[in-house]
Amino acid sequence: IAGITQAPTSQILAAGRRMTLRCTQDMRHNAMYWYRQDLGLGLRLIHYSNTAGTTGKGEVPDGYSVSRANTDDFPLTLASAVPSQTSVYFCASSDSSGQGDPYGYTFGSGTRLTVV
Amino acid sequence: AQSVAQPEDQVNVAEGNPLTVKCTYSVSGNPYLFWYVQYPNRGLQFLLKYITGDNLVKGSYGFEAEFNKSQTSFHLKKPSALVSDSALYFCAVRDRMDSSYKLIFGSGTRLLVRP
Repeated sequence: IAGITQAPTSQILAAGRRMTLRCTQDMRHNAMYWYRQDLGLGLRLIHYSNTAGTTGKGEVPDGYSVSRANTDDFPLTLASAVPSQTSVYFCASSDSSGQGDPYGYTFGSGTRLTVV
Repeated sequence: AQSVAQPEDQVNVAEGNPLTVKCTYSVSGNPYLFWYVQYPNRGLQFLLKYITGDNLVKGSYGFEAEFNKSQTSFHLKKPSALVSDSALYFCAVRDRMDSSYKLIFGSGTRLLVRP
């Protein structure tokens, strides 16, 4: 089934530890995104990538980094986790950088991260 | 910058009654507006979008939304609610970002449909 796979589904992480959230898509979408979802704040964009080899900062990029070595994978790394990074993280993708995609974005099922 | 607002944290309706989930927008230029639904422990799923054309947009699961330019609104509606419609609903607007676009989401509205 075409779509986005995120891993892990959930994780409890000690503060100060490094963590990489994985995201893989099989739709050959050129654009990919990472959002975090927090109660009362909706979804906020962390980082994005318009195409393989390029990345950009979203609304809340501090403490996070991304890479886009190929079309399918877009991992999100927390270099040194802090409790404020406790959240649900969603990876998404779109075709033609969101211009022509009739469905807007396709989302993964999310990673629930708790930093203690 | 583009933005959307969802003024209600929660909407409660009885099964079989019509439902409305409100969204207002603030954009420069013509808006591209979306509605997404999120079921528990799942990612967001596309419901419908407005780009241009008819102000009444029909989407998945019997939902529709009415684009109202004078009121800058894009309310989600359904004539007869189902218990299975209970979920979290997000309104979103497309915003320019460098050489591409991103979606800006509202804070979400929880819909509870009681039997």
